Amino acid sequence: GQQVMQIPQYQHVQEGEDFTTYCNSSTTLSNIQWYKQRPGGHPVFLIQLVKSGEVKKQKRLTFQFGEAKKNSSLHITATQTTDVGTYFCAGEVTGGGNKLTFGTGTQLKVEL
Amino acid sequence: SAVISQKPSRDICQRGTSLTIQCQVDSQVTMMFWYRQQPGQSLTLIATANQGSEATYESGFVIDKFPISRPNLTFSTLTVSNMSPEDSSIYLCSVEEVRGGDTQYFGPGTRLTVL
Repeated sequence: GQQVMQIPQYQHVQEGEDFTTYCNSSTTLSNIQWYKQRPGGHPVFLIQLVKSGEVKKQKRLTFQFGEAKKNSSLHITATQTTDVGTYFCAGEVTGGGNKLTFGTGTQLKVEL
Repeated sequence: SAVISQKPSRDICQRGTSLTIQCQVDSQVTMMFWYRQQPGQSLTLIATANQGSEATYESGFVIDKFPISRPNLTFSTLTVSNMSPEDSSIYLCSVEEVRGGDTQYFGPGTRLTVL
């Protein structure tokens, strides 16, 4: 079945450093979504990418969808303590009935 | 976005018993899903709750173990039957809104511990 892997699994950074998580799917995706889950919380939708090569920005967050629509990345510039949490990508396959396959997640810790 | 509530928020149950989790949305939604998230892990889709018909289960999940109801466009239940400690997990419902595209919004989750 479809698999979505993320690296790294964990990342510790000092506040102000940059952070990137990478997402790779075993199959071509119709779109990819990113979610953030704070410790003890539930996943919260961040963004959706649909087009090949698409890049979207949300303040310090930059999201990219690969040309082959099988990989994606999330980059955070100048991390803050509020960025702490686990970041999941989630891929949807064309004809998959709106189902999402979640990536393995990257847990980010930010130290002062 | 839709406001989603789940009951109970947490429970501790004995082996062999069953627990029904409720998911209520404050607006009509097209799709409702149930996920399981084991401690420190990612989310795994259990099933899609279909309004007025049987749920669509993912590989590894069966109706006898996880019966699901969806009587209308704002409510669904998931039952975890004949529980064992391996069922200890967070159970989350999610929804897609009628005009929300393909994005999903999650409820707060139900933290289940089976002794």
